[in-house]
Parts: sequence; C-alpha cells; structure tokens
Amino acid sequence: TQLLEQSPQFLSIQEGENLTVYCNSSSVFSSLQWYRQEPGEGPVLLVTVVTGGEVKKLKRLTFQFGDARKDSSLHITAAQPGDTGLYLCAGAHNAGNMLTFGGGTRLMVKP
Amino acid sequence: GAVVSQHPSWVICKSGTSVKIECRSLDFQATTMFWYRQFPKQSLMLMATSNEGSKATYEQGVEKDKFLINHASLTLSTLTVTSAHPEDSSFYICSARDTPWGSADTQYFGPGTRLTVL
Repeated sequence: TQLLEQSPQFLSIQEGENLTVYCNSSSVFSSLQWYRQEPGEGPVLLVTVVTGGEVKKLKRLTFQFGDARKDSSLHITAAQPGDTGLYLCAGAHNAGNMLTFGGGTRLMVKP
Repeated sequence: GAVVSQHPSWVICKSGTSVKIECRSLDFQATTMFWYRQFPKQSLMLMATSNEGSKATYEQGVEKDKFLINHASLTLSTLTVTSAHPEDSSFYICSARDTPWGSADTQYFGPGTRLTVL
C-alpha cells in the first residue's frame, strides 16, 4: 500500500509554463523531502520541510508543507528544459524513521 | 557535504553468480543506511534498513538470504545479491542518513548501481 499519493504521474509542458506537483497522504509526517532524479542517477535532495504550513523557495521552485503535515506541493514557475526529470516526495512518520516515497512525477519540459 | 558514493556504477554478471555493491558516506558518518530498488520509470522501493553493527531490517517480501547486507562501519554498507537471476536486474540505490547534524529524516542518496544479470 502506497502511503503517499503523488500527482500527476506524468507531465509534459512547454518551456515557460508553470506547474504544480502534489503529494498527499492520510498520515501525518514529521518531515517531508522532495527529490529530483535524472535517468541513471540517484535522487538529489531539493528540500526538507518539517513545520506545518512551511513554505520554502529554491529559485523557481516553491515547496509547501500542509498545515496538518499530511500533504505537500511543489510549484515550478517558468519551467525550463533543465527542470526535466523525475520528482519524488518522501515522508517520514517519526523523526529518525525510514522514508516512504511517493510514486513520482515524471516531468518533461519541451523547448 | 553529505556525499554518498556507490561502487560499481554498472555491473553485468552471469546468472547464478553473486554481486557485491558498496555504499559509502564520504564526508559524514552514517549510523543508518538504506537500500532501495528501482524499476524503470518507477519510484524507489525500500528493500532494507542497515544499521551499523547490527543486523539489517528487511522489508516484507525481500529475501534476506538473497540480498545480504553488511554495515561494518559508520561509512560503509554492502549489498550482496547472491545467486543472481535475470529478474534481479534492476537499479539499486543506497542512501545514508546524516547524524548528528542535519535533519534526522533527511537521506542522501548514492548515484545508483545498475545490475544486469544475463
């Protein structure tokens, strides 16, 4: 059973468009991480959010942790071809516990 | 900081042989390392949690006698795929949790090892 529902699974957009990826669960997480993975490589950590309602920005990427710490979103502004990749959210239910991964969102940004 | 390496990055082996994959935390000590398996275009599936100096904890459905994990030091964990078969072909990724600094939940991932069993 996948405890983290990630949507959409696939997204193909034109350069310059905005997009949002969602990560939802019925469980409360102590923290949630977002990763980006390129083919043949390991996931690279983008951000960790730990506080309900927290918003973090990383250049054109905005990450939000839900007030109840059950969901999160990743918003990309003015997407670029270099943003293409697999985006993964992962949550931990207790501090120091293992991560549960969402199913991933495969993003393709066309020039 | 927080760099994790894996070796080898790519391995091809014959069916029935064993393959060892190393995972190293290069600039931090990792009391806990994790081993994942990833099929093409899918997310990561946790195989086992490896704690330094103790037996690994395997996820349901993962054969501990087939996927041997050893975490002998704070910077090294190994995964040995024993008697490999073509269905074991996959992308294996390790991660390490940095302690005591940083978020205890944050995991840093290695670059992965692609295993192909002929």
